[in-house]
Amino acid sequence: NAGVTQTPKFRILKIGQSMTLQCTQDMNHNYMYWYRQDPGMGLKLIYYSVGAGITDKGEVPNGYNVSRSTTEDFPLRLELAAPSQTSVYFCASKEGAYEQYFGPGTRLTVT
Amino acid sequence: RKEVEQDPGPFNVPEGATVAFNCTYSNSASQSFFWYRQDCRKEPKLLMSVYSSGNEDGRFTAQLNRASQYISLLIRDSKLSDSATYLCVTGGYNKLTFGAGTRLAVHP
Repeated sequence: NAGVTQTPKFRILKIGQSMTLQCTQDMNHNYMYWYRQDPGMGLKLIYYSVGAGITDKGEVPNGYNVSRSTTEDFPLRLELAAPSQTSVYFCASKEGAYEQYFGPGTRLTVT
Repeated sequence: RKEVEQDPGPFNVPEGATVAFNCTYSNSASQSFFWYRQDCRKEPKLLMSVYSSGNEDGRFTAQLNRASQYISLLIRDSKLSDSATYLCVTGGYNKLTFGAGTRLAVHP
């Protein structure tokens, strides 16, 4: 099992550009999550999904969009990138009340 | 009030020391409890689950007090490799809530 994979690992965006962060899991988990983590800070939940076709906002959804057309994939879309979106983005998945597995992260810089 | 509160540290301890971290959580309906470890610029990884009866994994012991809504982690015989940030985590089926973490630095 590859677990949770994320692409790209690093990206530099100019202000106003858009991009999609990819996340795929091969554990057949129903629950998937996107977090951002600013330097020296804790994880903040952006969006989550409890199954294909179902998504919901976390605590910091503004400026982001998600979709969940399959169990495996949960892409995060940034529209009109802003410097405040410079962060490390982690995707995660889990099943039931069990532990959550994280991908290796995408380091995004918006300049 | 944050849902999961932890002392940010840092805790600076010598090798071989015993160190304890605590956290409190506000959601009494929480069903699952974990300690995660996060190394600098890496993804969080599960250290151990936490059960009401308390549980141990080698040098690590975790305790849960549901009445006080309090979770603890004890690390015995600290190693240099234990230097990391430790995240207290609670939650249920839909999602987990992560504390901001307690930083541990173990020095020779």
